[in-house]
Amino acid sequence: QQQVKQSPQSLIVQKGGISIINCAYENTAFDYFPWYQQFPGKGPALLIAIRPDVSEKKEGRFTISFNKSAKQFSLHIMDSQPGDSATYFCAARLETSGSRLTFGEGTQLTVNP
Amino acid sequence: EAGVTQFPSHSVIEKGQTVTLRCDPISGHDNLYWYRRVMGKEIKFLLHFVKESKQDESGMPNNRFLAERTGGTYSTLKVQPAELEDSGVYFCASSVGGQGDHEQYFGPGTRLTVT
Repeated sequence: QQQVKQSPQSLIVQKGGISIINCAYENTAFDYFPWYQQFPGKGPALLIAIRPDVSEKKEGRFTISFNKSAKQFSLHIMDSQPGDSATYFCAARLETSGSRLTFGEGTQLTVNP
Repeated sequence: EAGVTQFPSHSVIEKGQTVTLRCDPISGHDNLYWYRRVMGKEIKFLLHFVKESKQDESGMPNNRFLAERTGGTYSTLKVQPAELEDSGVYFCASSVGGQGDHEQYFGPGTRLTVT
């Protein structure tokens, strides 16, 4: 049973547009929700993260929106750039689990120039 | 500061053979994790070391997988004998010890292909 579901699987956006990736989780005990960005040939790298006591977190062009009651969170990339083209993973962590991360399936984002 | 390194970057082996993957975490990081991504699916947790001790190995698929962390430094993941379904990208990650939202730093992964 997959505990974190991510959509869409792939996304194509024009330069300057808004990219939106959505995730839904099952376990209400998850206490930390990071997003990772992965470029080809590299490992995932932490992009931005949020805790469930906050509804939104913004860092530059990247924003996480968090809806605790719906058990959903999303990543918004404003003014998307070709350099943002990468695979994005949402994840969730259960503090009592020793900090292991539970990932979504990933979204392949392509930003066309 | 060097990041997490993994060796080899690619490995192609035949079913039934043995393969050993190596991970060198960031120096001073007590926590070391192994994850695997199969066939474009989600990245799945395999196990977690704190220093040289296995903290959580609930994600290990079966007893064909053996992980070790010598002296709390580098770690190896051995697959013996390998099966077709073991193909995928194996990631290692490390983080500092203690409480808190400590970032996990990932290595570039080892792509394993079992034919």
